Amino acid sequence: DQQVKQNSPSLSVQEGRISILNCDYTNSMFDYFLWYKKYPAEGPTFLISISSIKDKNEDGRFTVFLNKSAKHLSLHIVPSQPGDSAVYFCAASEKAAGNKLTFGGGTRVLVKP
Amino acid sequence: NAGVTQTPKFRVLKTGQSMTLLCAQDMNHEYMYWYRQDPGMGLRLIHYSVGEGTTAKGEVPDGYNVSRLKKQNFLLGLESAAPSQTSVYFCASRSHQGFDNQPQHFGDGTRLSIL
Repeated sequence: DQQVKQNSPSLSVQEGRISILNCDYTNSMFDYFLWYKKYPAEGPTFLISISSIKDKNEDGRFTVFLNKSAKHLSLHIVPSQPGDSAVYFCAASEKAAGNKLTFGGGTRVLVKP
Repeated sequence: NAGVTQTPKFRVLKTGQSMTLLCAQDMNHEYMYWYRQDPGMGLRLIHYSVGEGTTAKGEVPDGYNVSRLKKQNFLLGLESAAPSQTSVYFCASRSHQGFDNQPQHFGDGTRLSIL
């Protein structure tokens, strides 16, 4: 049973517009959430994170929103750029479980020029 | 500035063969992890280590063994490869210092095919 789900396997967006990626989780004990970005033939790279005590974290063009009651988080990329075309993974961790990461299945984003 | 280096990058094995994947990090990180990535399933944790000489099982440990004899190296072994172990394998490391949720740093992966 997947504890972290990314229900949209792919997303296509025009350059300059907003990209919104969604992630749902089932384990209420998760207390930290991260987004990773992955290009083909490379490893995932850390993008942005949020603690469960917050509902928003922003870093430049990237903003992550957390809705604990809905067990839902989202990543907003504004404005989207062609270099943002990649696979994005949502991940969650639980401090009591040693901060091991549980990943979603990923969303492939294509930003069209 | 190597970070996390995985060796080899590609390998083809026959069923029943054994091999070892090597992960080396130069960031003096305490924690190291091995994941496998299969289509549509994200990354799943195989084994991990919280320090030199220690290892622990992750979500999908069966068929794999690991060793952490040196702090900078984390080895993943397949004793008798099976086609179900065809996957892309990622190693990661992270620091234990500072706040608890330091992000993990990943290598570029090893693509393993078992025929």
